[in-house]
Amino acid sequence: AQTVTQSQPEMSVQEAETVTLSCTYDTSESDYYLFWYKQPPSRQMILVIRQEAYKQQNATENRFSVNFQKAAKSFSLKISDSQLGDAAMYFCAYRSEDNNDMRFGAGTRLTVKP
Amino acid sequence: DAGVIQSPRHEVTEMGQEVTLRCKPISGHDYLFWYRQTMMRGLELLIYFNNNVPIDDSGMPEDRFSAKMPNASFSTLKIQPSEPRDSAVYFCASSFQVIFNQPQHFGDGTRLSIL
Repeated sequence: AQTVTQSQPEMSVQEAETVTLSCTYDTSESDYYLFWYKQPPSRQMILVIRQEAYKQQNATENRFSVNFQKAAKSFSLKISDSQLGDAAMYFCAYRSEDNNDMRFGAGTRLTVKP
Repeated sequence: DAGVIQSPRHEVTEMGQEVTLRCKPISGHDYLFWYRQTMMRGLELLIYFNNNVPIDDSGMPEDRFSAKMPNASFSTLKIQPSEPRDSAVYFCASSFQVIFNQPQHFGDGTRLSIL
């Protein structure tokens, strides 16, 4: 079964600085999808960014980008120009192409310091 | 366009009572998921439906839990009888055409407290 590991329970960053959240996963599949979700204190689960495993190019969404290393099974999230509103729990998620069994990491709590 | 709608937002009840959580998926989405979030276990998939049919309920913790989807716009997750260890945030999510890279869209969750 696939597992997703987020080794950083907590991270902090100064406003306007850059922070990278780590995520690794274990799978024997070659085709799959990876996601980062943000969960602010309001409890919503908000999609931040997605990556298809067959794409070599790293996904980018405005200030959010990923470093996808397929061979290393690594999928880190970089947040540039951090803003106070970025403070939240961030979850890395893996989904197989064949089924809907979406696996989430334990989450990383990001604090943004003014 | 309305997102996934869950009700109630909060539920507090005594152990032994029946609890029903409700979900309205995004119109047109053909997959619906129920998740449970706890500090100890993180986000766990309980069950998911495709076109109103339960596909995988292997995550349902025990027989006290049941889920139904009588039509494309409504699903319920029921716990009977409830126990304190069921206290958690329950999320409903929906998505469209899972074979593509469509993300799951989550509701705001129901915070359930069993006393």
